[in-house]
Amino acid sequence: ETGVTQSPTHLIKTRGQQVTLRCSSQSGHNTVSWYQQALGQGPQFIFQYYREEENGRGNFPPRFSGLQFPNYSSELNVNALELDDSALYLCASSPDPAPSTDTQYFGPGTRLTVL
Amino acid sequence: QKEVEQNSGPLSVPEGAIASLNCTYSDRGSQSFFWYRQYSGKSPELIMFIYSNGDKEDGRFTAQLNKASQYVSLLIRDSQPSDSATYLCAVATSGGSYIPTFGRGTSLIVHP
Repeated sequence: ETGVTQSPTHLIKTRGQQVTLRCSSQSGHNTVSWYQQALGQGPQFIFQYYREEENGRGNFPPRFSGLQFPNYSSELNVNALELDDSALYLCASSPDPAPSTDTQYFGPGTRLTVL
Repeated sequence: QKEVEQNSGPLSVPEGAIASLNCTYSDRGSQSFFWYRQYSGKSPELIMFIYSNGDKEDGRFTAQLNKASQYVSLLIRDSQPSDSATYLCAVATSGGSYIPTFGRGTSLIVHP
């Protein structure tokens, strides 16, 4: 039990639609990072938020956007869904931007399927 | 394009042996190096990080970093069947923003 939750667990959307994924971090964790993990691949870093500001972004187009709220919750929004967006989306929370063992925790993930 | 390369495996070792997992990276500016363990169907778990050349030991795990050769490894001593998982190497630059690049992972199987 990591104390990081994500919703929904599974989601099916059609191409062109928009989706919002949610993450609830541990209390006191000022940093949340979002990752996309395709089957059989390592996670790909989407972006990181620190104290409600974007603090780094991976190689993802602007249709991937995020928000972090003062209550340690966050959102990943994806517009104009494409078939290749089908993946497991993970959030990870930590007190600081650079992770450390015993302080960075991943949520269980949201499995997104785009048809 | 920053790349992190890992042999996908599977790497099969007998119980009690030393498992050696390797990772190479392309970006010479990388400063932070991480090893994650991911059990099948589960989320990754950070198990080791290393910033300086040399060895870092934590229990049965030893991370080794050689920046000149752009090589980082993870040794697992006295391997147990419960160590069977995919091990992900991640590399990042430091300094404010933390932007990691992950390898595809190496599948480790420890057989009794």
